[in-house]
Amino acid sequence: QVQLQESGPGLVKPSGTLSLTCAVSGGSISSSNWWSWVRQPPGKGLEWIGEIYHSGSTNYNPSLKSRVTISVDKSKNQFSLKLSSVTAADTAVYYCASRRQWQDYYYMDVWGKGTTVTVSS
Amino acid sequence: DIQMTQSPSSLSASVGDRVTITCRPSQSISSYLNWYQQKPGKAPKLLIYAASSLQTGVPSRFSGSGSGTDFTLTISSLQPEDFATYSCQQSYSTPGTFGQGTKVEIK
Repeated sequence: QVQLQESGPGLVKPSGTLSLTCAVSGGSISSSNWWSWVRQPPGKGLEWIGEIYHSGSTNYNPSLKSRVTISVDKSKNQFSLKLSSVTAADTAVYYCASRRQWQDYYYMDVWGKGTTVTVSS
Repeated sequence: DIQMTQSPSSLSASVGDRVTITCRPSQSISSYLNWYQQKPGKAPKLLIYAASSLQTGVPSRFSGSGSGTDFTLTISSLQPEDFATYSCQQSYSTPGTFGQGTKVEIK
């Protein structure tokens, strides 16, 4: 069973860049899954940020697209998130997740435990 | 973006109760609807995908139904471990938007 683990700084300064990594274990990042990032601001609902395939193909949430970069490192079996020009509104728990596809349907069936990122000076 | 509206936002129920949560997208999404359960401080857990398919390992008291613009998550007999927040997500188009969540509390 695939397991995911997020890592990265818990505190980022305003206007800085948030950088997180998700390590994939128990499976290969070169499988047929897409690899996603989702966030949840305090007391609010979930927001899909974007995803990447092992080939490097990406899809991003249009509301964040200008600030988001998701990349993959197959040699380390991990993928990463960079979010630039952060503000307090980017304070959230950030999750990485594996997106599986069944027929035409897709769903996120494996999630990391999440990591809290606070944007503050 | 497709807006997902859940109702109610919260509910109080007792162990053994039948609980129904509704999710309504702002446009038709066929059966491209997932349900997640989330407990405080924990990651979401997939319960239902493709509107009505039960994820492996999820108890059969959970069921999903609906299509188009009207979906339902039903817990047939609420158990103590089911007190949590439930969220729907559409996978019809990018971005895969989520509902705001329904918190199920102990009565």
